[in-house]
Amino acid sequence: SQQGEEDPQALSIQEGENATMNCSYKTSINNLQWYRQNSGRGLVHLILIRSNEREKHSGRLRVTLDTSKKSSSLLITASRAADTASYFCATGLGNQGGKLIFGQGTELSVKP
Amino acid sequence: DAMVIQNPRYQVTQFGKPVTLSCSQTLNHNVMYWYQQKSSQAPKLLFHYYDKDFNNEADTPDNFQSRRPNTSFCFLDIRSPGLGDAAMYLCATSRDWAFGGRLDQPQHFGDGTRLSIL
Repeated sequence: SQQGEEDPQALSIQEGENATMNCSYKTSINNLQWYRQNSGRGLVHLILIRSNEREKHSGRLRVTLDTSKKSSSLLITASRAADTASYFCATGLGNQGGKLIFGQGTELSVKP
Repeated sequence: DAMVIQNPRYQVTQFGKPVTLSCSQTLNHNVMYWYQQKSSQAPKLLFHYYDKDFNNEADTPDNFQSRRPNTSFCFLDIRSPGLGDAAMYLCATSRDWAFGGRLDQPQHFGDGTRLSIL
């Protein structure tokens, strides 16, 4: 099964609302990263949180990491229609250099 | 702006006809990756290069090969494409690789090549 599993698979909200996506993983990690993918495009790196960090912010994004529960969450505040995309978590594993294992993604739809 | 560029954006080939996808980068990164992404699925790593050292994932089919003639360019060759190889192929880079150790770096992706098989 996947190292990273995301929940929910799909999320539909109104503009201005907050969106929360969750990621769970199975093995010990060095870091956890979140990426955005617009339809038909490549992935764009959003934020990286190291295993010894608990929370990180970047603009309207807030990421938390709970290594005891092997889980992370991505919060997008005051969402906009332009935030409509798929969001993937990816884990950097202990002894595998720069390799990332991606989760299945959450498809976010923000309605104007 | 420094970036990762994939050409073409869309590629159509016939069943069994070899096809090559290309990727170039202006980031001067040491590591280049190729991922396969099928519809509504996670990107799956096929292989990566650290400089000229090629590293294949254990479950990457032999049908997939790669070349990296220099730092800037990397190619994905599919020798005999089957219908199951229709997918988005993503190229990515990262500055470094940590052999047997920790690395906390993001990857930088191109916009992908969508491959269709007739």
